[in-house]
Amino acid sequence: AQSVTQLDSQVPVFEEAPVELRCNYSSSVSVYLFWYVQYPNQGLQLLLKYLSGSTLVKGINGFEAEFNKSQTSFHLRKPSVHISDTAEYFCAVIGGSYIPTFGRGTSLIVHP
Amino acid sequence: NAGVTQTPKFQVLKTGQSMTLQCAQDMNHEYMSWYRQDPGMGLRLIHYSVGAGITDQGEVPNGYNVSRSTTEDFPLRLLSAAPSQTSVYFCASSYTGLAGYEQYFGPGTRLTVT
Repeated sequence: AQSVTQLDSQVPVFEEAPVELRCNYSSSVSVYLFWYVQYPNQGLQLLLKYLSGSTLVKGINGFEAEFNKSQTSFHLRKPSVHISDTAEYFCAVIGGSYIPTFGRGTSLIVHP
Repeated sequence: NAGVTQTPKFQVLKTGQSMTLQCAQDMNHEYMSWYRQDPGMGLRLIHYSVGAGITDQGEVPNGYNVSRSTTEDFPLRLLSAAPSQTSVYFCASSYTGLAGYEQYFGPGTRLTVT
């Protein structure tokens, strides 16, 4: 079985400040990890993914995430956020099958 | 490529009515799935399919039926709508091999049951 915990349901931040959205996972096998973004009234789209290789993964819109196997984490970071980054962010894990398990989401709110 | 398409975008039903939410993809993906999204609950898997003729239940299958007669289409049927089924429904598709397992989502159907 696999599970995902997104530790913060809401993260408020000011524009141009750095941000970290936290994700921890649990799995008995090797995993693939994903971050998706959902803008208001839209479907989810892929931000970035870790399948293997380098543990630092770069995605779209300046986001990056680091896979930490010992801490079973895959935190998402951006050094300077924009108003347009306001959205819901979902962490997802696939381990042992092709069926992803999603976290409950973190709402990133960027204030001017 | 249109990607994953869903119809309708919005729907209002009365309790007890039935309806079908349509989902289609043009990427030749083997895996397709249906999720519902409710505030504070994230995405919950309703049903999924790994190919034409093969479907299975997810986390919250009660009150929903699916079929997969073609690779492209994966409709979700509500048998007798209940207010608890008021939600936003997303269809998704992906490859099942090492192409990356990335999920491609449709734009969603917002369903209200009164």
